[in-house]
Amino acid sequence: QKEVEQNSGPLSVPEGAIASLNCTYSDRGSQSFFWYRQYSGKSPELIMFIYSNGDKEDGRFTAQLNKASQYVSLLIRDSQPSDSATYLCAARGKTSYDKVIFGPGTSLSVIP
Amino acid sequence: ETGVTQSPTHLIKTRGQQVTLRCSSQSGHNTVSWYQQALGQGPQFIFQYYREEENGRGNFPPRFSGLQFPNYSSELNVNALELDDSALYLCASSEGGRSYEQYFGPGTRLTVT
Repeated sequence: QKEVEQNSGPLSVPEGAIASLNCTYSDRGSQSFFWYRQYSGKSPELIMFIYSNGDKEDGRFTAQLNKASQYVSLLIRDSQPSDSATYLCAARGKTSYDKVIFGPGTSLSVIP
Repeated sequence: ETGVTQSPTHLIKTRGQQVTLRCSSQSGHNTVSWYQQALGQGPQFIFQYYREEENGRGNFPPRFSGLQFPNYSSELNVNALELDDSALYLCASSEGGRSYEQYFGPGTRLTVT
């Protein structure tokens, strides 16, 4: 059973701090990894994707991938109250036709 | 917004009934995936359609079926509804082999009573 695991949280950080969200996956064949943000009652919104080991930065967001450890993380710098949401980690196999497996999500609360 | 639309927004059905949910993919996207998201859980993959053919299926029974049309819009059909089918149903579209990203529609909230 291919799985993606995340801490359910809630993770609480003060405004302006760095939020660190972690994810592990069980299928070593997974090649592409995604972070989605989901506000309550809304659909998931793609934040970033990463498929190479190392870091990928986009504005206040940095995704990190370590395939040897089967570990993906998302760092949110200068956290804002508007970042309060559930963050979903997802993994996919070699091709874009492979199914995407989602983790259960981590709830983040940014305290003003 | 992503350009992916779903209808209806909300739906209430009785156990044993059948339901059809609809999804229009983003312009230029030929792949549609359907997901079921129960409250407090991550989306669970139901199946994926590429150019009108199902090319991947998750652990869902055969009473969950789908179609993709020549314009790449899609339907999800669920027969013999059960109480546990109550969930948010999401469709996501992508360019298939050319893109890593898939974009979600707003979802359909199905309640089975």
